[in-house]
Amino acid sequence: QQQVKQSPQSLIVQKGGIPIINCAYENTAFDYFPWYQQFPGKGPALLIAIRPDVSEKKEGRFTISFNKSAKQFSLHIMDSQPGDSATYFCAASQGGADGLTFGKGTHLIIQP
Amino acid sequence: DVKVTQSSRYLVKRTGEKVFLECVQDMDHENMFWYRQDPGLGLRLIYFSYDVKMKEKGDIPEGYSVSREKKERFSLILESASTNQTSMYLCASRKQGPPTIYFGEGSWLTVV
Repeated sequence: QQQVKQSPQSLIVQKGGIPIINCAYENTAFDYFPWYQQFPGKGPALLIAIRPDVSEKKEGRFTISFNKSAKQFSLHIMDSQPGDSATYFCAASQGGADGLTFGKGTHLIIQP
Repeated sequence: DVKVTQSSRYLVKRTGEKVFLECVQDMDHENMFWYRQDPGLGLRLIYFSYDVKMKEKGDIPEGYSVSREKKERFSLILESASTNQTSMYLCASRKQGPPTIYFGEGSWLTVV
């Protein structure tokens, strides 16, 4: 049972475009939704996160949109740059000591 | 600065060998995790620990065990390595309470 479904699997966008990565979850007990960014040869690093009591959160060029009723959330990257090329993972957790449940990842390429 | 250190970055082991993957965090975090990352499958939780000498199974514990004798150190053990355990292994930690999980840079294990 996949609890967090992420799409697309891969994405190619021209520099300056707005890549959008989508995730859907099933467990309504999830209360924390982070996005992680991973460069080749490195571990994932927290990019931005949201709680279900808000519908949108912005940090620099990165925005999370959250739709609680649809059980979906998405990552938007404004004015994308080649340096944003990486693998992006959405995740969810329901607190406690448990770890995060991750989506399968999106390999993003920003072309110059 | 947050630091999760995986001492072995690249290992090649033979089928049937016992393998130890070591992880140390310097942030006095209570919770520690071991994930496995495979292309197209994302990150999957193997085991986690919420305190010294405590451990809980994650989603894919079969073929693995863990040890946490000290708060800062969490070891993943492959009792008898098999080729289907060839993967990248990620250690992570988190302080009890705040949900942010910090990852190490990963250990690439090849079993031949």
